[in-house]
Amino acid sequence: KNQVEQSPQSLIILEGKNCTLQCNYTVSPFSNLRWYKQDTGRGPVSLTIMTFSENTKSNGRYTATLDADTKQSSLHITASQLSDSASYICVVSAFSGGYNKLIFGAGTRLAVHP
Amino acid sequence: ETGVTQSPTHLIKTRGQQVTLRCSSQSGHNTVSWYQQALGQGPQFIFQYYREEENGRGNFPPRFSGLQFPNYSSELNVNALELDDSALYLCASSLGKGQETQYFGPGTRLLVL
Repeated sequence: KNQVEQSPQSLIILEGKNCTLQCNYTVSPFSNLRWYKQDTGRGPVSLTIMTFSENTKSNGRYTATLDADTKQSSLHITASQLSDSASYICVVSAFSGGYNKLIFGAGTRLAVHP
Repeated sequence: ETGVTQSPTHLIKTRGQQVTLRCSSQSGHNTVSWYQQALGQGPQFIFQYYREEENGRGNFPPRFSGLQFPNYSSELNVNALELDDSALYLCASSLGKGQETQYFGPGTRLLVL
């Protein structure tokens, strides 16, 4: 069964601190892995995308890693800001049957406090 | 902003009723996917439309149906609403049905009483 599991479920950090979110997946056939940021009541917005051959990708203060052998990914946020408070969702794509199926994790809810 | 719009933003219905949710895709995008997101959960794939035809479907019953129009906008219809249908419904558009990035709308929050 295709699954994406994220940890921790929720996280509270102080402004300016760093944090790392984890994602483990069992998805086949693997196409790519994305991290999305979802603000409360809004649709998800893509932060990074990595294919099988990529093991790191940065987008400003966000750095994602991928270990395709262990089927693990992480999202590291540097120098957190209050606006980073959101849910971060790991999404793995499986392209089969003629369409790109996205399997979503439940997300990590991050709260950045002043 | 992604350029994907959804209407209405919020909706309250009662059990047994029917609902239609609408999505306008980003300009030039011919593929629309619909997702259901329960509170505290990740989105679950409902179905995808590519050039007006259903191109894939998740584990949702037939009372969840959809349409895509020639201008690539889309509707999600849910019949015989149940309490568990209460969720945020997201649509996402993309340039194709392959590995292109999907751009999400803000969602419609449905409450079934």
